[in-house]
Amino acid sequence: GAVVSQHPSRVICKSGTSVKIECRSLDFQATTMFWYRQFPKQSLMLMATSNEGSKATYEQGVEKDKFLINHASLTLSTLTVTSAHPEDSSFYICSADRAGVYEQYFGPGTRLTVT
Amino acid sequence: QQQVKQSPQSLIVQKGGISIINCAYENTAFDYFPWYQQFPGKGPALLIAIRPDVSEKKEGRFTISFNKSAKQFSLHIMDSQPGDSATYFCAASGSGTYKYIFGTGTRLKVLA
Repeated sequence: GAVVSQHPSRVICKSGTSVKIECRSLDFQATTMFWYRQFPKQSLMLMATSNEGSKATYEQGVEKDKFLINHASLTLSTLTVTSAHPEDSSFYICSADRAGVYEQYFGPGTRLTVT
Repeated sequence: QQQVKQSPQSLIVQKGGISIINCAYENTAFDYFPWYQQFPGKGPALLIAIRPDVSEKKEGRFTISFNKSAKQFSLHIMDSQPGDSATYFCAASGSGTYKYIFGTGTRLKVLA
């Protein structure tokens, strides 16, 4: 149990376009989902926390107008990178936690390359 | 106060040996300490986690040792195997939030 999926696993887009990444909890309901960014050989950097039906809470330094997060249901959160630029190229990972449980279950990640 | 310091940055162990990774924290409000394993190009996978009410937790070849007074916790991988070669992250959570503070990661290589 506790499987989290992400789609797509890899995406290449041109500079100036927008990209949407989906995160789904497949066998449980997630009250909270998290979005992370990871650069090569570095740790996970939390970008934002999202709760179903409410606005996401962004970490300091993360542009909320650039990284749009929607948590439409207890099993789906989306991250949209708007007007992507090469510096947005990174590995984006989501996680989800079950109601009342501290454990976070991570998705397999999405490799975004902006050309 | 929100940092979690992890060491070593990299570790090479012979097959069958014990791998030990250490983490230290400062925020005494943290009350949940998980360890994650990450293979290249994949998301992190939960290995084992501990709460401060116990000093040790073992699951198979993986053991967490927890020292509340020193504010330190460590992961021990017994009988290390080449398949254990991955990056390991410790994390801490608490203070009424589900947010994790991650350590900087340890790249483990187990030699065959």
